[in-house]
Amino acid sequence: DTGVSQDPRHKITKRGQNVTFRCDPISEHNRLYWYRQTLGQGPEFLTYFQNEAQLEKSRLLSDRFSAERPKGSFSTLEIQRTEQGDSAMYLCASSLGGTSGPSTDTQYFGPGTRLTVL
Amino acid sequence: LAKTTQPISMDSYEGQEVNITCSHNNIATNDYITWYQQFPSQGPRFIIQGYKTKVTNEVASLFIPADRKSSTLSLPRVSLSDTAVYYCLVGGSGYSTLTFGKGTMLLVSP
Repeated sequence: DTGVSQDPRHKITKRGQNVTFRCDPISEHNRLYWYRQTLGQGPEFLTYFQNEAQLEKSRLLSDRFSAERPKGSFSTLEIQRTEQGDSAMYLCASSLGGTSGPSTDTQYFGPGTRLTVL
Repeated sequence: LAKTTQPISMDSYEGQEVNITCSHNNIATNDYITWYQQFPSQGPRFIIQGYKTKVTNEVASLFIPADRKSSTLSLPRVSLSDTAVYYCLVGGSGYSTLTFGKGTMLLVSP
């Protein structure tokens, strides 16, 4: 049973560097989500894809963040010019969405990528 | 955007029933309510989802009153392995932003 995988699991970088994370969803899942989670807080929505189309992006998301999902399979999340405030766990989730909105989906989460910006 | 409020923490003992309530006063007509469980250093895991009245599966029950302004997750006969953070998620229809609450840290003791 292959669940959602994320790579790397941990990333330490210096302020100002660019980082890229990868998410491999469950095969045949057409919806993919990225979240950010800081200590003591619930996951914060970042962006959402249906197949290869990025359908929503949080208004709180800085222009330094960009996500792609080429061919509707794996996805990457890039953070440019990292800041210490970007330190967090970045979670990816996927779901098999139907005709209704994403709120009715069962999201399957990956283990996350923990980013530390020094 | 439906905001959720949950107790920060709850304590229980093995074998007891635990009820965790989530308030979502401005829930929209098309919003569903979903609960997730999260262990340290892991992603959340789906527990149960509902729209109204009562939903039950093999691990939990979800009670939603008629006004849908709150919901209660019921965990029967908890064990030590149920110690985790529980999140109430209320999301809109279409492609709106999904909102997790801050979660409830449930500690189950022997």
